Amino acid sequence: RKEVEQDPGPFNVPEGATVAFNCTYSNSASQSFFWYRQDCRKEPKLLMSVYSSGNEDGRFTAQLNRASQYISLLIRDSKLSDSATYLCVVGGSYIPTFGRGTSLIVHP
Amino acid sequence: DVKVTQSSRYLVKRTGEKVFLECVQDMDHENMFWYRQDPGLGLRLIYFSYDVKMKEKGDIPEGYSVSREKKERFSLILESASTNQTSMYLCASSPDGSNEKLFFGSGTQLSVL
Repeated sequence: RKEVEQDPGPFNVPEGATVAFNCTYSNSASQSFFWYRQDCRKEPKLLMSVYSSGNEDGRFTAQLNRASQYISLLIRDSKLSDSATYLCVVGGSYIPTFGRGTSLIVHP
Repeated sequence: DVKVTQSSRYLVKRTGEKVFLECVQDMDHENMFWYRQDPGLGLRLIYFSYDVKMKEKGDIPEGYSVSREKKERFSLILESASTNQTSMYLCASSPDGSNEKLFFGSGTQLSVL
């Protein structure tokens, strides 16, 4: 079983839609969680950390469910510029573990 | 801003050549990583280093070696390039205690013919 799993998508949504991705992890001892964003042919960049109580950054909301071992990313009022691949990252051991990413396409 | 610089954006090499991929970071980060990224497979860790002259194998170290003689520089070496090493190579660094907050270079697309 892969340690960090994501639905590869693509999620194809119209501008203005709300979209949510989940990411499940297998190691219950994991301590830290992040979402990265990767544009086509570019490097991944840190989007936001995920805190136990949930956290928000503008149109983006990240949540952690330790009991079910998943994290989520909610994007409200989607913009064309949100089109990208979203990678979840799980830490706790020395090496961060990346999911394979979820592709989001926002269309006019 | 942290800057992680990879020496080449695109590289074309022949089978059997020795290939050096260089990575330099300017934020005095302790940790440095080399990943390769292939369609459908995501990011796979090749090697990482948590200090000068220290190195640890990642998930797919076969066919690769690394060198970290100075804190800011982490080199990936393909001893004898093969066609299955054609890939996007990404270098990253992170500060000590925040291993998951990675800063990536812009990547090197390596083609081995």
